[in-house]
Amino acid sequence: AQRVTQPEKLLSVFKGAPVELKCNYSYSGSPELFWYVQYSRQRLQLLLRHISRESIKGFTADLNKGETSFHLKKPFAQEEDSAMYYCALRTGGYQKVTFGTGTKLQVIP
Amino acid sequence: GAVVSQHPSRVICKSGTSVKIECRSLDFQATTMFWYRQFPKQSLMLMATSNEGSKATYEQGVEKDKFLINHASLTLSTLTVTSAHPEDSSFYICSAEDPSSYNEQFFGPGTRLTVL
Repeated sequence: AQRVTQPEKLLSVFKGAPVELKCNYSYSGSPELFWYVQYSRQRLQLLLRHISRESIKGFTADLNKGETSFHLKKPFAQEEDSAMYYCALRTGGYQKVTFGTGTKLQVIP
Repeated sequence: GAVVSQHPSRVICKSGTSVKIECRSLDFQATTMFWYRQFPKQSLMLMATSNEGSKATYEQGVEKDKFLINHASLTLSTLTVTSAHPEDSSFYICSAEDPSSYNEQFFGPGTRLTVL
């Protein structure tokens, strides 16, 4: 069975500091990995997906199959980045998405 | 991006009654919709996958007779919580896949259910 682990419930960083939100997964096949973000009082929305290999709002994430990780990074945190971040895994064929427990990012001004 | 709506946004009901929650894809057709449940300060737990015109696929531990799902059209899925009890109080979120957008899931705003 697939599983997504986000070890940190809360991550506090100062504005301008680098950010890394950790995500590890377990799945025997070829996964699709995503990061979703939920800003205060807003719905969950897709931030980025590993297959697109793009940077959104300054965030990047690289799939490391050897370490089964998909950490989310940003070199300089902004106050508007404060939100809940969920790492998610989708398995091929059956479109089910498994979410991690989420990490709350708090950017301190 | 695509928009998914949920109705109602919040509902309070008495124990033993049934509650229906609607999930609509407003500007795209979704062959697949998902229903999640989110407890306070916890992650989303997938309850079931809803495919248009066929029976929903429920996750292990989710009672299909308790949580009835109907996906009658490409833009509407409904979740009915039957004979609700206080332990069913939760935040229910739906999502819909947009096949024209690499099957990206778009999420509804959620429905807060409180069972007294």
